[in-house]
Amino acid sequence: GAGVSQSPRYKVTKRGQDVTLRCDPISSHATLYWYQQALGQGPEFLTYFNYEAQPDKSGLPSDRFSAERPEGSISTLTIQRTEQRDSAMYRCASSPGTSGRETQYFGPGTRLLVL
Amino acid sequence: DQQVKQNSPSLSVQEGRISILNCDYTNSMFDYFLWYKKYPAEGPTFLISISSIKDKNEDGRFTVFLNKSAKHLSLHIVPSQPGDSAVYFCAASPKTGANNLFFGTGTRLTVIP
Repeated sequence: GAGVSQSPRYKVTKRGQDVTLRCDPISSHATLYWYQQALGQGPEFLTYFNYEAQPDKSGLPSDRFSAERPEGSISTLTIQRTEQRDSAMYRCASSPGTSGRETQYFGPGTRLLVL
Repeated sequence: DQQVKQNSPSLSVQEGRISILNCDYTNSMFDYFLWYKKYPAEGPTFLISISSIKDKNEDGRFTVFLNKSAKHLSLHIVPSQPGDSAVYFCAASPKTGANNLFFGTGTRLTVIP
């Protein structure tokens, strides 16, 4: 597709369940980012991939959060044993290069609600 | 600990006038700054950026000013148009770990026709 897509757009789950969010970056983009955005806040960095490598996981809030990009294209973000505080918009972005200084193109986000 | 701050949650401006959005940062290691614009139900889109070696960058109606000594940047939109109504996020990245982008909380701009 022409832009970054994310699925599902909305996810409601019960506390304790696992959820997996998907991101399709712009094809051929080397770098893929995951952000968490709470209501009324800006996006907060979680992790990123250069192709399939994951150089920085420092933003992941706990070991319940993990991300993969096994073939260097599509990525998934998995939250295990969800908690109510995990409720947020999860945004994915991609950029063509790996320097960190290229424009990041954002997807529409997945809104997660944990009941 | 918010390293990038946008202290004005909202701003209203008449069409044709100048809009000035402000942003402050605390981390002296930041050397690259960006503004993103966000419409409802969409992801943020890149608007303009500035490197710390410059103090001004202009692109059409949009100009970003950087004051390193004050750790302050601003986005000027002139003339403002109704289509500029959106949430504007300021963001910054450090020299080391440039892939980690720090965002402010956003300012909602409303341009009144």
